[in-house]
Amino acid sequence: SQQGEEDPQALSIQEGENATMNCSYKTSINNLQWYRQNSGRGLVHLILIRSNEREKHSGRLRVTLDTSKKSSSLLITASRAADTASYFCARGGDMRFGAGTRLTVKP
Amino acid sequence: DTEVTQTPKHLVMGMTNKKSLKCEQHMGHRAMYWYKQKAKKPPELMFVYSYEKLSINESVPSRFSPECPNSSLLNLHLHALQPEDSALYLCASRKGGEETQYFGPGTRLLVL
Repeated sequence: SQQGEEDPQALSIQEGENATMNCSYKTSINNLQWYRQNSGRGLVHLILIRSNEREKHSGRLRVTLDTSKKSSSLLITASRAADTASYFCARGGDMRFGAGTRLTVKP
Repeated sequence: DTEVTQTPKHLVMGMTNKKSLKCEQHMGHRAMYWYKQKAKKPPELMFVYSYEKLSINESVPSRFSPECPNSSLLNLHLHALQPEDSALYLCASRKGGEETQYFGPGTRLLVL
């Protein structure tokens, strides 16, 4: 990837379960953003976490940031089939994207 | 109007053709971006326009030529492309002072 790695590369879960995706980056950041992309479509911004924040919530989404480890995680709780998509982290500023996690939520 | 539109949705072109991709937004955003995305890969930044001036060119081959005629419109002119240029081309815009980018649905390009 241009900036970092995400793991897992693919994740398959049942509806109602939680999904956790991780993102690592290589250089310092001002903020980290998470985006969702439905198959072959444009990206949708989910949440932004600034470098001085450790945790942020938005609905069923919870993002954490550990600047000492240069890593972030996205937790989706009580997943739904509609959450099936690819999820990317991106470094704010120059918008370098991680490799992404392809999430499949089975009904 | 809170969306970024891109036309065409799909484009098939030969290696000798000249074509253009168009991106439009009416949110008053002054930064606009072109990305290229290959299948199962993340978007890769190509160009950034800020206040209608090219501010970033990520060493993109000259067969891709961006243009920003006004603050609402962004074009990507294509000429003598190669089959490996086949990809999803995404446009995005951003409001000054904010970090969130708003993406269009993309143009899926196939070069034969």
